[in-house]
Formats: sequence, structure tokens, C-alpha cells
Amino acid sequence: QSVLTQPPSASGTPGQRVTISCSGSSSNIGTYTVNWYQQLPGTAPKLLIYSNNQRPSGVPDRFSGSKSGTSASLAISGLQSEAEADYYCAAWDDRLNGQVFGTGTKVTVL
Amino acid sequence: EVQLVESGGGLVHPGGSLRLSCAASAFTFSRYAMSWVRQAPGKGLEWVSLISGSGISTYYADSVKGRFTISRDNSKNTLYVQMNSLRAEDTAVYYCAKMYGDYKADAFDIWGQGTMVTVS
Repeated sequence: QSVLTQPPSASGTPGQRVTISCSGSSSNIGTYTVNWYQQLPGTAPKLLIYSNNQRPSGVPDRFSGSKSGTSASLAISGLQSEAEADYYCAAWDDRLNGQVFGTGTKVTVL
Repeated sequence: EVQLVESGGGLVHPGGSLRLSCAASAFTFSRYAMSWVRQAPGKGLEWVSLISGSGISTYYADSVKGRFTISRDNSKNTLYVQMNSLRAEDTAVYYCAKMYGDYKADAFDIWGQGTMVTVS
């Protein structure tokens, strides 16, 4: 049972904007930065956003992240079929003294 | 190209042991913290353990504490996890992940391809 809660699914048509939420608490998101990972079917996860809103080299600017208080969000604009994947948020948690992942959100392009 | 290659997975009986390895290349291994992350079939990601660049600091998920031991050999650019007293619920793909820096809260910026561990 994860301490970071995400919606199980999100969807949109090509070109639309989709937003995924990640809800935590003061012991994790409220204190530490949030990172986001994309996992395409059958592959290893890939870092998508780090330090709340930073994109690693090679990640399109269609992906953006934000954080406010004990929640964070990932936005995907100009939705494309290649964005169909599972998305996970993650942060350090002081109470558990470890990294925690969100429950994961499956994005579908209609 | 920065690369992580896991090995050592396989089928093991409940109560058995297994040691996974992760060979790193193309970066200064000792400068970065490293982690193990697992994913049970059809489930989400679960962080397992983390070790600092020097190997001095280690952290474990409650689910594996006392059973798993993470270690590293910086002279061999290799990360390990010794898994003892394995249970059916430890069945998962185990990923090795490099961290962005040498800080416990850093992101996992490079991932291996994973190695499957089946406890049955």
C-alpha cells in the first residue's frame, strides 16, 4: 500500500492535455522533491521529471511537472500515441526512511 | 553510454537465497548512490534498498529489512543485493537504478533492464 496516491487511469485524444495528480503528506512530498517516471509496456522505467519540474536531456517539453504543498502533478500536453504508458511519481519519505512510489497511472490515448 | 546490466535472477524455493548483481559502466560509479527497485507481475514499482556512493549508508524497505543486504564494490563498478529467506511475495522483476547524485532523495536517472526473480 503506497503512501503516494495517483489516479489509476487517465485518457485523452491526440493533441489534448492530460494531468496526473500525486497526493502525499508532510513526510514525503511536503518535504522532498518529486520525481516522475514513465514505463512503456514491457520496458524498464525511465526518468521523466526530476526535482519537481526539471526535464532530463531528451525528454520533450510536452511533459511538465509541478508541486504544491503535499501534492504534485504531471502534465502531458499535445498528447501523442507514444505517451501511452504507466506513470509513477516518487519521493523520499522520512517516516518510512525510504523512497516511495505512487500507485501508478495508466495513460491511454483514445 | 551509461549502462546498468543486472544478473543473478532465477527460480528459487521459499526460504532460499539469491544474490543479484548489477554491472555499471561509463560513469564514475563511486560518486553515485544506487538502488534496487522491484516490480511484481502486473503490479507497480516498489523501492527495495539504497546504498550511498561510499557504501557507508544503506536503507531498506520494511518489506525486506533483515532479509536483504545491499552492497557495492566500487573497484568492480558493481552493485549487489543478497536476498535471504525469500518468500513468494518477493517474486518480481528487480531493477538496478543509478541515482542522480549521492543523496538519498535523488531521482533514479538510469535503470537497468531488470532481472526476474521467481520464488516458488
